[in-house]
Amino acid sequence: EVQLVESGGGLVQPGGSLRLSCVVSGFTFSSYHMHWVRQAPGQGLAWVSRIENDGSSLTYADSVKGRFTISRDNAKNTMYLQMNSLRADDTAVYYCARDNISPGDFWGQGILVTVSS
Amino acid sequence: DIVMTQSPLSLPVTLGQPASISCRSSQSLVHSNGNTYLNWFQQRPGQSPRRLIYNVFNRESGVPDRFSGSGSGTDFTLKISRVEAEDVGVYYCMQSTHWPPYTFGQGSKLEIK
Repeated sequence: EVQLVESGGGLVQPGGSLRLSCVVSGFTFSSYHMHWVRQAPGQGLAWVSRIENDGSSLTYADSVKGRFTISRDNAKNTMYLQMNSLRADDTAVYYCARDNISPGDFWGQGILVTVSS
Repeated sequence: DIVMTQSPLSLPVTLGQPASISCRSSQSLVHSNGNTYLNWFQQRPGQSPRRLIYNVFNRESGVPDRFSGSGSGTDFTLKISRVEAEDVGVYYCMQSTHWPPYTFGQGSKLEIK
């Protein structure tokens, strides 16, 4: 069974940092590109970042470029999102999602990040 | 960036009746390889999104055949032949032809009348 489990969210002050993790199981992690997608409270879905299966290519939405860093450890079946210089408008549920032809054939349960003083 | 525009944004439907959601893109979603990367997602209340359709009309495994996708170029449609109670939620289209960024529609909320 394919599973994606996010962790690392929580409350952080503006300007602070958090690192999200996404641990996967049930498939060969190293064969798939992966994504982070977020959803602000009561809002729609917004793509955040993509990492190729071998970590060779990293892509970001303009809203997070220079502040967020996506990475992965294929030996640990884990993807990360390092979030620095957090702002109030980064408040959202963050989902990790697998890419199969396109993003999102499987999703995690989501993890809430709240940026507030 | 490609802008995805959905309509309607609110969709009250009677159980057993059909439903249809339109999604229009600001540019053609035909890729240079000939494929069209238009996807549909369902997000039930309190749940993670679930991909229903990829590449315009291909249903994911386990998706009921009352869901169908169609369209080409810039105009796409998700149809539900007979709405059931479990179909309540928000539906999003998303393009993955011209990235970055991948872009979603605003979401269309289906409710039972």
